[in-house]
Amino acid sequence: RKEVEQDPGPFNVPEGATVAFNCTYSNSASQSFFWYRQDCRKEPKLLMSVYSSGNEDGRFTAQLNRASQYISLLIRDSKLSDSATYLCVPYTGGFKTIFGAGTRLFVKA
Amino acid sequence: EPEVTQTPSHQVTQMGQEVILRCVPISNHLYFYWYRQILGQKVEFLVSFYNNEISEKSEIFDDQFSVERPDGSNFTLKIRSTKLEDSAMYFCASSDWDNENEKLFFGSGTQLSVL
Repeated sequence: RKEVEQDPGPFNVPEGATVAFNCTYSNSASQSFFWYRQDCRKEPKLLMSVYSSGNEDGRFTAQLNRASQYISLLIRDSKLSDSATYLCVPYTGGFKTIFGAGTRLFVKA
Repeated sequence: EPEVTQTPSHQVTQMGQEVILRCVPISNHLYFYWYRQILGQKVEFLVSFYNNEISEKSEIFDDQFSVERPDGSNFTLKIRSTKLEDSAMYFCASSDWDNENEKLFFGSGTQLSVL
């Protein structure tokens, strides 16, 4: 089983839609989780951190299910500017952060 | 807002040549990283660096690669004899530890093209 698995998408949604991505991880020792956003040919940028059961920041909500070893990202009221690849990152300690392959989102007008 | 800077933004080289990619991490960060991303593929971990030595490295980071912190601000990745398959975007990152969790801040990358 891969360390991190994400649905590659692409997800194509209209503006204003709600969309959710899932990410499963294999290492039950993962302590915390991050969602990064990557625009085409740009660097990843930290979007959200999740340390307990979940986190909410404006239109973005992340939820963690440790029993099933998955984390989700929900985007409400999608904007054109949300079009990007979303990378799931479970952190297991040490200095070797492993990124998921990402889920591509296209928001269309 | 402090940021990680990388130079050059693009580097074209001939196969077999040596290249040095340069990075200036955020000034109060102590942990530094190199990642690479081949076009259309995932972001891959290469190496982490702390206290003037390598902390961890991936299987990709073989003997052709080396890292160095030559002074108090720069962090470099050297590829000794480039191969076609080294063509990729190389990202430098430095980390800010929050609640003992690693949060990475990336530079805008160096696009390396090996011909």
